[in-house]
Amino acid sequence: QVQLQQWGVGLLKPSETLSLTCEVSGVSVSTSQWRWIRQAPGKGLELIGEFSENAGSDSDASLMNRLTMSVDTTKNQVSLRLTSVTAADTGVYFCARQTSCRGGSCYSYGWFDPWGQGTPVIVSS
Amino acid sequence: DIQMTQSPSSLSASVGDTVTITCRASQSVNTYVNWYQQKPGKAPKLLVHTSSILHDGVPSRFSGDGIRTEFTLTINSLQPEDFATYYCQQTYSSPTFGQGSKLEIK
Repeated sequence: QVQLQQWGVGLLKPSETLSLTCEVSGVSVSTSQWRWIRQAPGKGLELIGEFSENAGSDSDASLMNRLTMSVDTTKNQVSLRLTSVTAADTGVYFCARQTSCRGGSCYSYGWFDPWGQGTPVIVSS
Repeated sequence: DIQMTQSPSSLSASVGDTVTITCRASQSVNTYVNWYQQKPGKAPKLLVHTSSILHDGVPSRFSGDGIRTEFTLTINSLQPEDFATYYCQQTYSSPTFGQGSKLEIK
């Protein structure tokens, strides 16, 4: 069973760097696709970044090259780094695995499962 | 990006009712739509993937349907634990979510 456990500092000042980690159990981080989703207070879900070892990374254009994602295969962890944060970066951040196979059946496109528990992040001076 | 538009944005119902949430895609996404349930303070949970396939452990009162641009999530015989916010998502291209549909107790 794949499980994701998140941690990271949740209170930042403007211009600081947000660092979040997602510890993965049950599957190798090297063989999966990882997603970071943000949920602003009272709002919906927004995909902000995608990462896999074989395909590299892609992030939402609105983040303007502030977002970096990586994996640590020795620790089986996925990480996110967002520089120069502002109040607009406040929200809950989730990591998730995108997969397209379940119970021996595979499909062309996937879904997000499981999700980490979420890390609330507040950016305030 | 493909836009996903859910309706209604909010709805109220009673235990035992049947409700349907609709999700429309701005262009065809074949059957690559997923549905998630989110409760306050919790991460979203996968309910249905690939339009109509129930995820492991999800009660059979949940069902999904649709193809191309029109999708529905139906919950039969609502239970108290079903009151939550529901999101559709397409993964046919770069994944995008609907804005959410909040289901409240009447």
